[in-house]
Amino acid sequence: QKEVEQDPGPLSVPEGAIVSLNCTYSNSAFQYFMWYRQYSRKGPELLMYTYSSGNKEDGRFTAQVDKSSKYISLFIRDSQPSDSATYLCAIIKAAGNKLTFGGGTRVLVKP
Amino acid sequence: DGGITQSPKYLFRKEGQNVTLSCEQNLNHDAMYWYRQDPGQGLRLIYYSQIVNDFQKGDIAEGYSVSREKKESFPLTVTSAQKNPTAFYLCASSPGAGETQYFGPGTRLLVL
Repeated sequence: QKEVEQDPGPLSVPEGAIVSLNCTYSNSAFQYFMWYRQYSRKGPELLMYTYSSGNKEDGRFTAQVDKSSKYISLFIRDSQPSDSATYLCAIIKAAGNKLTFGGGTRVLVKP
Repeated sequence: DGGITQSPKYLFRKEGQNVTLSCEQNLNHDAMYWYRQDPGQGLRLIYYSQIVNDFQKGDIAEGYSVSREKKESFPLTVTSAQKNPTAFYLCASSPGAGETQYFGPGTRLLVL
């Protein structure tokens, strides 16, 4: 079993819809949670970073963490065609040395 | 303008040849990392360095080598021992271990 599981998609939504992405993880030692956006043939770009259970909002993006269920989510409101990309969750242990990535979910927002 | 640069953008390797990928950062970060990304897959850690003159193997270090002689630079050599080198290589840095990582634009390596 992979340490971090993420549905590969693709996830296709109409413009303006809410995009809902999620990851599950198996190790309760994971303490810090990140979401990256990656456009085709580009490096990942950090979107959200959080370390506590609950919600964190930044503009159209909301990151949600449920440590008791080992489940993290990213919501994108009012989705735009420019949001079409692959979204990667990444998790790290406290004072850990490496990120553990999910496989990424490809999102397509149709005009 | 702070950031991470990787060069070249595309690199072609012949059979039996060693090639070196460049990664430079001007963010004054202590830690640097190399990842490999294959189509449809997540990122896998090759090597990382938490401080100058020190580096550690990641999950898939076989066939690769690194050096960390300067804080700003962390080059990756893909040796001839790496039998399946075709991939997208990403360099990242973070202020310290366990902190958010920031990525460069990547180098795509292809085998002739």
